[in-house]
Amino acid sequence: ILNVEQSPQSLHVQEGDSTNFTCSFPSSNFYALHWYRWETAKSPEALFVMTLNGDEKKKGRISATLNTKEGYSYLYIKGSQPEDSATYLCAPNFGNEKLTFGTGTRLTIIP
Amino acid sequence: NAGVTQTPKFQVLKTGQSMTLQCAQDMNHEYMSWYRQDPGMGLRLIHYSVGAGITDQGEVPNGYNVSRSTTEDFPLRLLSAAPSQTSVYFCASSLLPASGKGYTFGSGTRLTVV
Repeated sequence: ILNVEQSPQSLHVQEGDSTNFTCSFPSSNFYALHWYRWETAKSPEALFVMTLNGDEKKKGRISATLNTKEGYSYLYIKGSQPEDSATYLCAPNFGNEKLTFGTGTRLTIIP
Repeated sequence: NAGVTQTPKFQVLKTGQSMTLQCAQDMNHEYMSWYRQDPGMGLRLIHYSVGAGITDQGEVPNGYNVSRSTTEDFPLRLLSAAPSQTSVYFCASSLLPASGKGYTFGSGTRLTVV
């Protein structure tokens, strides 16, 4: 069983502030890293899939970076809004058709 | 496109009963999988399939069977339900993950075994 760690487990952020959280994973045999956004009572939705060391992806106010050599990825949210409240999941893939999900960072935006 | 359709949304079973959770996708995705989500545990892979006629076990396969007779459908069977199988079940599909594409998830099935 692969060890995928996300930190912090939960986070409260004032509306308008920026924030970031971390996903760490084994660096050997790495193929891709997925980020998902999961709102309460809904299904996870794909945000990013990153494969290359140094990769940076952006979607609106949300961006992510990837370091495959040391096995970590950061997700950044700029100018948090109430609709950003969700659990953010990361999941590495090691080229074997399976994703191993972390337990997520639960983000709450305080209006 | 409907995406990934899971049925039923809710189910209550008695210990020992069997049932099938249905999952269908209309995106011609080769890869389909079943996850269960339990508090504090994250999503854990039960079974997966990389194409019709091919299935394999994930992290927590015991007590579950799957089959993939068509590209579109990937049902999950509980053989003899146990309280430990109380969980929320998600079906997900994608082009092969090795291609670097994200998963599309169904809306989930909340199962309670009493």
